[in-house]
Amino acid sequence: NAGVTQTPKFRVLKTGQSMTLLCAQDMNHEYMYWYRQDPGMGLRLIHYSVGEGTTAKGEVPDGYNVSRLKKQNFLLGLESAAPSQTSVYFCASRRLAGGPREQFFGPGTRLTVL
Amino acid sequence: AQSVSQHNHHVILSEAASLELGCNYSYGGTVNLFWYVQYPGQHLQLLLKYFSGDPLVKGIKGFEAEFIKSKFSFNLRKPSVQWSDTAEYFCAVNGRNSGNTPLVFGKGTRLSVIA
Repeated sequence: NAGVTQTPKFRVLKTGQSMTLLCAQDMNHEYMYWYRQDPGMGLRLIHYSVGEGTTAKGEVPDGYNVSRLKKQNFLLGLESAAPSQTSVYFCASRRLAGGPREQFFGPGTRLTVL
Repeated sequence: AQSVSQHNHHVILSEAASLELGCNYSYGGTVNLFWYVQYPGQHLQLLLKYFSGDPLVKGIKGFEAEFIKSKFSFNLRKPSVQWSDTAEYFCAVNGRNSGNTPLVFGKGTRLSVIA
């Protein structure tokens, strides 16, 4: 199993450009999450999904959109990138039930917006 | 709303010193508790987790954590740190009976272990 994978690993954008980050998991997990990590701020939840076709806002959703068209994929979109969105983005997933609901993380995408 | 506080932003220890990282949470219900570690340039990995039973939980690489319900705390400990423990450590919590709530993370504690 590859676990949780993210594409791309690095990206540099200019202000106003758009892009989509892809997260894929092969563990058949129902729940998927997008976080951003900034120095001294920990991980902050952007959006999450509790199943195919459903999404919900997290703590810092502004400027981002998401889609979960397939159970294994969770896309994060930036329609018009801003320098404040320079960050490291982590995707995570977990199963619906059973156990303490541990989240599994991807390797991250480092995004710089100039 | 849930919240997690990690008391130390940056801890510097010599090799073989003992480690204790503080974590307090705020949540009005039964919780699951986690410690994750992030080595430089890598993603988050689970160190240990607590959901019920013995409040002293043992994880990987010699780490342990103790859940003290009365203090809303879940402090991480290791008797003797190694240089390879240099990393950032995150405490996280979610509600056990609240369905699909995501993990809420603390801001992290950076540990630097020096020779």
